[in-house]
Formats: sequence, structure tokens, C-alpha cells
Amino acid sequence: GAGVSQSPSNKVTEKGKDVELRCDPISGHTALYWYRQSLGQGLEFLIYFQGNSAPDKSGLPSDRFSAERTGGSVSTLTIQRTQQEDSAVYLCASSLGQGRQPQHFGDGTRLSIL
Amino acid sequence: GESVGLHLPTLSVQEGDNSIINCAYSNSASDYFIWYKQESGKGPQFIIDIRSNMDKRQGQRVTVLLNKTVKHLSLQIAATQPGDSAVYFCAESPPGGGADGLTFGKGTHLIIQP
Repeated sequence: GAGVSQSPSNKVTEKGKDVELRCDPISGHTALYWYRQSLGQGLEFLIYFQGNSAPDKSGLPSDRFSAERTGGSVSTLTIQRTQQEDSAVYLCASSLGQGRQPQHFGDGTRLSIL
Repeated sequence: GESVGLHLPTLSVQEGDNSIINCAYSNSASDYFIWYKQESGKGPQFIIDIRSNMDKRQGQRVTVLLNKTVKHLSLQIAATQPGDSAVYFCAESPPGGGADGLTFGKGTHLIIQP
């Protein structure tokens, strides 16, 4: 498909486990974004990549969260030692470049921590 | 901090009528705005965007109006159809561009009455 692809679509795991979420952006999009959406809420910005570089990681909720992007394409968001408050939908978006370009979103990974 | 907000959490309209969804933003330095539509279980879908050097922009059945004097944004949907039922978010982009991500409001749930 031509859109942003995220996997898995759903993930249920036990508290304390590590999880890895994957995002495959639209081909040719250099900018990639991760957001978190809690139930019935708007989106919370987490981190942004331009190419493989993330200039500012301060939006990540805690040091249990990390993200990387390799080859200017696929990105992974890793949450270590998951907590129940990490339960949310994690959305990835990509755009042609930073700034005044619309971001196009995937359908997200719904993460549930038991 | 500054954030984007919405005037009404739920809007109910008759099929065939026009819908107007409002948004107030507080960061006067924001220069790019986007409207998204989100259906249940899906990621936000780009509808239309507008830059701060414009007051109005039209798309297919949609119009976005920007009033910088009162920091107000609106989305007008003409001849509303059942498929328009969704949550609509406005989002603003600060002048820093991609590194700061988009700031989203909490969303307006548009309900179409038959």
C-alpha cells in the first residue's frame, strides 16, 4: 500500500515486559513522527525524525521510551518495563519534509498493558 | 503551555445540512494549521491545511477559515453525508516546524442524523 504502515495493529502484554512498535513511512517521506493517543483524547507528540536523526527527545514520556530510525525509512518505538499508564494507541506519521507539510498517519498500534 | 482547543465536543447535524466545526488556538506564532478526520479504529486522515498567510482555503466539500485576529479556525463541510461521521481534530504547527510536532485539540465528534 501507499500509506503509513504500523505493526502490530494490536498488542497486549503484561506489566513489566518490553514492547517494540514498528512504523513504515510513505516512500520518499523524510520526516517521521510518533504520537500517543489515550482513550477519547487528542494526540500527544512524542518524537520527530528528520532522516535518521531525532534532534529533540524531550517529548518522550520517560526514559523507558526510546525510538530509532535506520536507513531513513523504518522506525521503531520501544517501551521498556511497561506500565499500565502506557496503555494507549501509538500513532506514526510521515511527511515529505519538516515544517509546512501535512503529516499522514498510519492506523496505529493499540497497546494494552495488563 | 499554549494549546489548541475546540468549542464543542459533540456536533449533531441533519444529513444534507452544512456542518461548521470550530477551533480556538492560543499560540499566535503558529503559522500552519491542519484539519484531520478520525474514524473509529483508524488513524487521523488529512482533510485540508492552511497557512497563516491565507484566510480561506477550499477543498472538495470542505472549506477552512482562519481568523488570525481572534485566533480562530473553522472547518465547514457542505451537504453533510453519513460518511462524514467521525471525530474532527484541528492541529497547529509552531514556527519551529517538525521538531516540535503538531499540537492537537481534543476533537469534535460529528454525528449525522438521517
